[in-house]
Amino acid sequence: AQSVTQLGSHVSVSEGALVLLRCNYSSSVPPYLFWYVQYPNQGLQLLLKYTTGATLVKGINGFEAEFKKSETSFHLTKPSAHMSDAAEYFCAVSDPTGGFKTIFGAGTRLFVKA
Amino acid sequence: DTGVSQDPRHKITKRGQNVTFRCDPISEHNRLYWYRQTLGQGPEFLTYFQNEAQLEKSRLLSDRFSAERPKGSFSTLEIQRTEQGDSAMYLCASSFLGGGSYEQYFGPGTRLTVT
Repeated sequence: AQSVTQLGSHVSVSEGALVLLRCNYSSSVPPYLFWYVQYPNQGLQLLLKYTTGATLVKGINGFEAEFKKSETSFHLTKPSAHMSDAAEYFCAVSDPTGGFKTIFGAGTRLFVKA
Repeated sequence: DTGVSQDPRHKITKRGQNVTFRCDPISEHNRLYWYRQTLGQGPEFLTYFQNEAQLEKSRLLSDRFSAERPKGSFSTLEIQRTEQGDSAMYLCASSFLGGGSYEQYFGPGTRLTVT
């Protein structure tokens, strides 16, 4: 079985500050990992993904995440927050041997202060 | 490529009524997924199709719920005898198995309110 834990339901940063959203996963098979962003009343948009290969993955809007197998983590970072980054962020794990059914974390709401 | 579309975007219904939602995936995508998202939570998997075959259903999908994808293109999700606990955002996603990209593309969702 797979699961995802996002540490911190709310994170607040100042504009220009580092963004760090934490995600730990559990998977019995090598996982595929994703970060999605959701703006109010909208669907989810993929930020970045890890499948195989390079463990540091870069995504859209300046976000990146590093897959650390030893720590079972996939934390999301951005060097400098913008006001437009304020949204809900979801970490997700997918089992490539199980139909790519995706299990999502509970989400972290990011607030960006001016 | 116009993305995944869902209809309606909002639905208000009275308890006990039946509702049906539609999802149109990206045209070349052979996999289609349904998720349910309640306030403050991440999406929860409900079911998925490969072409017209329904390959897996979550235990969350009670016998009041039924999903179809009759021609391997659009899909419908029907909820019979709605309950207040069914109030949620219902999200549809599609992907292409075999394309090497694996990610699912999500629609804007259908927000259901049961009064």
